[in-house]
Amino acid sequence: NAGVTQTPKFQVLKTGQSMTLQCAQDMNHNSMYWYRQDPGMGLRLIYYSASEGTTDKGEVPNGYNVSRLNKREFSLRLESAAPSQTSVYFCASSGWDEFDEKLFFGSGTQLSVL
Amino acid sequence: DAKTTQPTSMDCAEGRAANLPCNHSTISGNEYVYWYRQIHSQGPQYIIHGLKNNETNEMASLIITEDRKSSTLILPHATLRDTAVYYCIVSLSVGNEKLTFGTGTRLTIIP
Repeated sequence: NAGVTQTPKFQVLKTGQSMTLQCAQDMNHNSMYWYRQDPGMGLRLIYYSASEGTTDKGEVPNGYNVSRLNKREFSLRLESAAPSQTSVYFCASSGWDEFDEKLFFGSGTQLSVL
Repeated sequence: DAKTTQPTSMDCAEGRAANLPCNHSTISGNEYVYWYRQIHSQGPQYIIHGLKNNETNEMASLIITEDRKSSTLILPHATLRDTAVYYCIVSLSVGNEKLTFGTGTRLTIIP
């Protein structure tokens, strides 16, 4: 199992450009999440998907859209990037691992918007 | 989610036990206490969770007070690789809620 895979790992955008962050998990989990983490801060939830075909807003959804394409994939789109969206983005999925239910995180995407 | 309060930072000598406190005074009866850690800029990693009873696994022990208003994560023999930010979260379950992470405790292990 690869776990949670995010692409790309690094990205630099100009203000106003658009891009999509990709996330895929191979653990057959129902729930998937997108978080952002600004320097020196904790993780803030952007969007959440409890199952294929459903999405819900988190703490900081403005400026983002998401698509739960299928059970494996959950993408995050920035339609018109702004410098305030410079952050590290983490995708996660949740499910059972032997005896415990837990969150599994990807390795993150470092995004800079100039 | 009920809110948690953690110290901003802590130091611990290598080889000693690291005790990380967390206050969650508004926790409801069926909410679990979860602990995660984030090493450098990696994605957070699950450590342990519990409801009422103390829990232990290969990574750590979790002590929850009888009134469940606070808990302590114990790393029994801290190593340099345990330097990380530790997050305490309370939630009904991992998969059925929109989990939110606070700023956590930055634990530094001193050689």
